[in-house]
Amino acid sequence: AQKITQTQPGMFVQEKEAVTLDCTYDTSDPSYGLFWYKQPSSGEMIFLIYQGSYDQQNATEGRYSLNFQKARKSANLVISASQLGDSAMYFCAMNPRGAGKSTFGDGTTLTVKP
Amino acid sequence: DTGVSQDPRHKITKRGQNVTFRCDPISEHNRLYWYRQTLGQGPEFLTYFQNEAQLEKSRLLSDRFSAERPKGSFSTLEIQRTEQGDSAMYLCASSLSQPNTEAFFGQGTRLTVV
Repeated sequence: AQKITQTQPGMFVQEKEAVTLDCTYDTSDPSYGLFWYKQPSSGEMIFLIYQGSYDQQNATEGRYSLNFQKARKSANLVISASQLGDSAMYFCAMNPRGAGKSTFGDGTTLTVKP
Repeated sequence: DTGVSQDPRHKITKRGQNVTFRCDPISEHNRLYWYRQTLGQGPEFLTYFQNEAQLEKSRLLSDRFSAERPKGSFSTLEIQRTEQGDSAMYLCASSLSQPNTEAFFGQGTRLTVV
């Protein structure tokens, strides 16, 4: 069974600063993928970034980067230069390689202050 | 293609009534997923299809829930004899079947059972 833990129910960040959202996971599968999604108040889940368990380098997508520490089973999301539009719920998720379903954490609500 | 679309966006129903939701995935995606999300929680997996075959169902899915994807394109999720505990956001997502590709989500159907 897979489990995702997001320990920060809510986070605040000043506009233009960087913020790290924590995610730890538990799985016995040797190969898996880790994902981050953003869910604004409109409800749609928006894919942000993906990290494969065998990827040697941390994933980056624009202002998003994933700090992947495999031995610690952590996959923290770093958002640089926060913008007001980044205020949303953020979910960490994983699925074993080849499996269809994803397991999600309970999310972190990020509020960007002007 | 405009992405994953779900219909209706909102549904209010009386306890004991049946409801049906529709999901139209991204056309080239052969995998389709249903998740349920309650307030303050991450999405919980319900079931998924590869083409028209239903490959996995969660133990959360009681006998009152049924999902179909008859031609491997759109899918329907039916809830019979609705209960107040069924009130939630029902999310549909689609993806390609290659390992660890991201899923694209619709905006969800918010169900309220009164």
